[in-house]
Amino acid sequence: GQQLNQSPQSMFIQEGEDVSMNCTSSSIFNTWLWYKQEPGEGPVLLIALYKAGELTSNGRLTAQFGITRKDSFLNISASIPTDVGIDFCAGQVDFGNEKLTFGTGTRLTIIP
Amino acid sequence: NAGVTQTPKFQVLKTGQSMTLQCAQDMNHNSMYWYRQDPGMGLRLIYYSASEGTTDKGEVPNGYNVSRLNKREFSLRLESAAPSQTSVYFCASSQRLLRTEAFFGQGTRLTVV
Repeated sequence: GQQLNQSPQSMFIQEGEDVSMNCTSSSIFNTWLWYKQEPGEGPVLLIALYKAGELTSNGRLTAQFGITRKDSFLNISASIPTDVGIDFCAGQVDFGNEKLTFGTGTRLTIIP
Repeated sequence: NAGVTQTPKFQVLKTGQSMTLQCAQDMNHNSMYWYRQDPGMGLRLIYYSASEGTTDKGEVPNGYNVSRLNKREFSLRLESAAPSQTSVYFCASSQRLLRTEAFFGQGTRLTVV
């Protein structure tokens, strides 16, 4: 099956700093999604990307769908304490096939 | 809005016991999914149901069975639990075709001893 490599695995950053993470795939995806998971909770959708080259923002979050369709990037600007958690990328191959493949996650820790 | 509701939230089983994890969604979504989450491995798809009346295997289906009871409900059954099935299980749903974003329940933390 598809493999999603997400990096970095963890980040320790100071409040106010910007954060960048990315996912790369061994095959092409038609949809990229970014989720955030807080301890004891299920993943919550942050941003959805449906078109190669697309750049989408949601508040302090900006995500891009790579031109090759094999990668995606998530940037968080001016991090705040509630940004802690694990961010996951997820990709979908075909519009007629709803299965998502998830990355292994980036654990974000904010240092006050 | 309840969204996706999973029960139970926590469960401890002895090896060989059986149990069913329940999931219900109130968003009128066509597709439903069961994932398991293990440390360092992200979420892996166990089974999914693209529509009422259909189910398909995902990446890690061995040791599990599912039932799409109706459009709202999708259950996951462990017939003979094994320690390797200790994990956090998530149910999710999505609207097919136009919107593929999956919405997740809060998870079931299962420990098999």
